[in-house]
Amino acid sequence: DTAVSQTPKYLVTQMGNDKSIKCEQNLGHDTMYWYKQDSKKFLKIMFSYNNKELIINETVPNRFSPKSPDKAHLNLHINSLELGDSAVYFCASSHLTPTGGRSGNEQFFGPGTRLTVL
Amino acid sequence: KQEVTQIPAALSVPEGENLVLNCSFTDSAIYNLQWFRQDPGKGLTSLLLIQSSQREQTSGRLNASLDKSSGRSTLYIAASQPGDSATYLCAVWGGGFKTIFGAGTRLFVKA
Repeated sequence: DTAVSQTPKYLVTQMGNDKSIKCEQNLGHDTMYWYKQDSKKFLKIMFSYNNKELIINETVPNRFSPKSPDKAHLNLHINSLELGDSAVYFCASSHLTPTGGRSGNEQFFGPGTRLTVL
Repeated sequence: KQEVTQIPAALSVPEGENLVLNCSFTDSAIYNLQWFRQDPGKGLTSLLLIQSSQREQTSGRLNASLDKSSGRSTLYIAASQPGDSATYLCAVWGGGFKTIFGAGTRLFVKA
């Protein structure tokens, strides 16, 4: 029973297209995240979404927009794809408490979506 | 600004050896530190989470320690096995949005 799932696993598309990646968690967590892992394998947080509060990393272009239909889902929409958007995108979730609390804000990751922009 | 550094960047050891991976962070104002494992082409698997009030956590052959005041954490792997070969990542959480990852240590355990 997958805890955090993402679709699709692979996405190959042309520059300029618009695409979406879906994420679902069945852990009952209240916070979801999107991360980008670049070709050097460095992970950077892009968004955090908690109780309808979206926090955006200021370095993320506004072509990227997360959309959460409910607490269990956080989708990532990307408009006007560019070559530099090629990366692996990971969704994660946690139960967020202000100072960590009992769960300690332990994050659980999805399997990733490898996006290739041609 | 929080920075997380992992040393060494890569490590190759023979099977059965005990080993230590290091993680250091510049800002000691963290709530927890989490160690992950990433296999090639796969997602991240959570190994251990240490809250800021704790000194260590253990799971099987893994032991993680945290010295918040000096900004350091170690992941100790006992009796390494070829199946332990992966990239190990540490991440510190400073509250809210602030999760910062290190670049990882690539471990190769030779049979």
